[in-house]
Amino acid sequence: GAGVSQSPSNKVTEKGKDVELRCDPISGHTALYWYRQSLGQGLEFLIYFQGNSAPDKSGLPSDRFSAERTGGSVSTLTIQRTQQEDSAVYLCASSLGGVNSGANVLTFGAGSRLTVL
Amino acid sequence: GNSVTQMEGPVTLSEEAFLTINCTYTATGYPSLFWYVQYPGEGLQLLLKATKADDKGSNKGFEATYRKETTSFHLEKGSVQVSDSAVYFCALRLSGGSNYKLTFGKGTLLTVNP
Repeated sequence: GAGVSQSPSNKVTEKGKDVELRCDPISGHTALYWYRQSLGQGLEFLIYFQGNSAPDKSGLPSDRFSAERTGGSVSTLTIQRTQQEDSAVYLCASSLGGVNSGANVLTFGAGSRLTVL
Repeated sequence: GNSVTQMEGPVTLSEEAFLTINCTYTATGYPSLFWYVQYPGEGLQLLLKATKADDKGSNKGFEATYRKETTSFHLEKGSVQVSDSAVYFCALRLSGGSNYKLTFGKGTLLTVNP
């Protein structure tokens, strides 16, 4: 598509429930990234995909967080047994290539705002 | 480790005022430097970038110069407009094996009043 699409744009859930956040990157972008934007914390890197594999998952905060990417395109970030501290905006970005392209521009989606009550 | 420090906001200016948002970085390698902007209700957009020392990135009247000697990438604009009200993020990205990851500062909220 023309841009990075994320859904849902807003999600309110109860503590303990599971949530899935979806990212549809720009067509042809092989690299995909998830970041978390929390109030006062800036943007935290969560995970990076190159194609369908995730060479860097180092930013996932706990084992309740997981992500997958299928067909080198759509990615899903899953948070199990949500906690109040998971409340944040989850941003997805994509770019052409990954390694050896340090000046590659990341294009971000508008984000999914998650509120855990 | 790698980190980005930018001036804390919020910054409030009158229209046509001069803007500076300071950004300094610490990096283990030779980074590319970026400014991203987030307008209310929207995703982050690349504002400008610089990939080597002394490069100047510019866009929409904003400028930033890559200063290796002071490890800085300060954002400037000579005359701000109300439409510039947004959150501005400074970021770095290393060259080489770890160059997929952007490291961001915490963001600076700019409000421009008419």
